[in-house]
Amino acid sequence: EAGVTQSPTHLIKTRGQQATLRCSPISGHTSVYWYQQALGLGLQFLLWYDEGEERNRGNFPPRFSGRQFPNYSSELNVNALELEDSALYLCASRPDPNRVDSANEKLFFGSGTQLSVL
Amino acid sequence: AQSVTQLGSHVSVSEGALVLLRCNYSSSVPTYLFWYVQYPNQGLQLLLKYTSAATLVKGINGFEAEFKKSETSFHLTKPSAHMSDAAEYFCAVTHSGGYQKVTFGTGTKLQVIP
Repeated sequence: EAGVTQSPTHLIKTRGQQATLRCSPISGHTSVYWYQQALGLGLQFLLWYDEGEERNRGNFPPRFSGRQFPNYSSELNVNALELEDSALYLCASRPDPNRVDSANEKLFFGSGTQLSVL
Repeated sequence: AQSVTQLGSHVSVSEGALVLLRCNYSSSVPTYLFWYVQYPNQGLQLLLKYTSAATLVKGINGFEAEFKKSETSFHLTKPSAHMSDAAEYFCAVTHSGGYQKVTFGTGTKLQVIP
């Protein structure tokens, strides 16, 4: 079974540009989470999508946005890039959040997209 | 607000030595505590998870962690380090089943010296 896949692996942009990151969850998973892993800051929650809707977002400015498609894949868009946006962006998925069993508590992570803003 | 502190951003141990990675949480007792591992150029993998069933939790690759409420700690240990354990380790806590409320620590990079 394929895991969570993210593309591209690496992305280099300049200040002011826009970046689009993509994530395909594990088959059957309806929830997709986005995290930013910046140096020294640990993992910061960005966005949560489930069934095509944004369910929650972390403490990030509106230029961080995204969407989830009918096939549950997701895009993260970062507009007006700033130098401090350089980080590893991780996507994670899990099954239907309404399932009340222990399997629902486990997040499956992709390998991430390394975004470098020059 | 909940916070997670991992003491030591870098830890070095000799091969065969005890591994101890520290994690302390603030605020109220979490619902769940996790340790994730990130190997170079890979995504995070779940090492182990505490769900209140037992205070000592055994995970994959010989790792275990003990939840100590009195110390607000959930330290990760392994009796004997292996070269393949070199990775970055993240402690995480959540107070609900919703992963949007998971708080991660800043990570500890483990170096294993031959």
